Order: sequence, then C-alpha cells, then structure tokens
Amino acid sequence: NAGVTQTPKFQVLKTGQSMTLQCAQDMNHNSMYWYRQDPGMGLRLIYYSASEGTTDKGEVPNGYNVSRLNKREFSLRLESAAPSQTSVYFCASRRGPEYEQYFGPGTRLTVT
Amino acid sequence: AQTVTQSQPEMSVQEAETVTLSCTYDTSESDYYLFWYKQPPSRQMILVIRQEAYKQQNATENRFSVNFQKAAKSFSLKISDSQLGDAAMYFCAYRSDTGTASKLTFGTGTRLQVTL
Repeated sequence: NAGVTQTPKFQVLKTGQSMTLQCAQDMNHNSMYWYRQDPGMGLRLIYYSASEGTTDKGEVPNGYNVSRLNKREFSLRLESAAPSQTSVYFCASRRGPEYEQYFGPGTRLTVT
Repeated sequence: AQTVTQSQPEMSVQEAETVTLSCTYDTSESDYYLFWYKQPPSRQMILVIRQEAYKQQNATENRFSVNFQKAAKSFSLKISDSQLGDAAMYFCAYRSDTGTASKLTFGTGTRLQVTL
C-alpha cells in the first residue's frame, strides 16, 4: 500500500494563477482532509470530506475549493492564488471514528 | 471551539536522557481523543501515541508515554532514553469523539533537539 499520496511535492505559482493539488489514498478510508501548515503554527483544517459525496468547510476555507472525486481521491483547488496561500499543504485520510488520521508527505506551495 | 496550547516552542535533551513536552487543551466535551504527532525534517506527520479520554490509564508506546490529567486538561509526552532520531517537531492534537468526521485541532508544536 502506498498510503496517502500527494502531487505535486513542490509548486511555485504567480499571484492570480490557479492550480489543483491532488490527493489519493489506497486504504479504503471514508474520511479525507486538507490541512495547511504555516511557520510557527500547527496544522489548520481547510476542508474535509466525511464520506464520498460530502464536503465541509474547516477552519480556514477562504480561497479554496475541494472535490471528492471518488472514495480514493480528494483534490484541493486554488482558483486565484495569493501570497498568503504560501504554505505546506497536507492531505490526510481516516477509516472511521475509532481510527487515527494518516497523512500524506505534503506539498510545499510558494505563491510569488 | 477546542484549543490546544503548547507553551514550549523549543526543547533540548541529551542523548539517553528523558524529556517531557507539555500540552494543555480547552474543551467542554467529556469524550475525546488526544494525540502526539512527530514531524521530522522530511515533513511526514507520524503518529507517536494516542489517548482516549475515557481511559484512566496513561498510554505508552515503547520509549514514549503520556501523563494525561483530565481534570487539569493536561497531556504531556515523556520521551525516555532519547535518541538522535527523536529530533523533530512534536505536535499535540485534540479530536472530538462526536461527529462522523471528527477533526483534529493542533497545537503550534515543540521543536525537540537531541544533543550528544
């Protein structure tokens, strides 16, 4: 099992450009999450998907959209990137309420 | 809303010694989970240990153990016999036991240095 995979690992965007961060898990997990990590701060939840077909806002959703494409895949889209979105983005998945979250390796995004 | 506080931005320990990382949290819930995650320079988030709030016994995983004080809302991590590979950022996290997609709330982290 590859676990949780994220693409790309690194990305540099100019202000106003758009891009989609991809996340996939092969553990048949129901719930998936997107977090961002900024210097001096813990991870903050952007969006999550409790199950296939549902998505909900987390703590810092502004400027982002998500799609739960199927049970395996959960993408995060930046429609018009801003320098404030420079961060490391983590995807995570979880089998169910009794279980812990498994994290992907992260994507380092820089917006200039 | 729940909050998690890690008041030690950095800690240092000598190899083979013991170190304790502090974490406090604020919640009005009675059932929840607490976690410690390790983040080495590779950025990968690695679960170190978990504690269910309904369990009175403190969780242990090899050299890692916790001191869970529910009334004080305190959840510290003790690392015994510290090794160079323990050097990393450590994050304390809270998860509610309610809801189908219980979300993690993280503290700001403690950077642990291990010296020879």
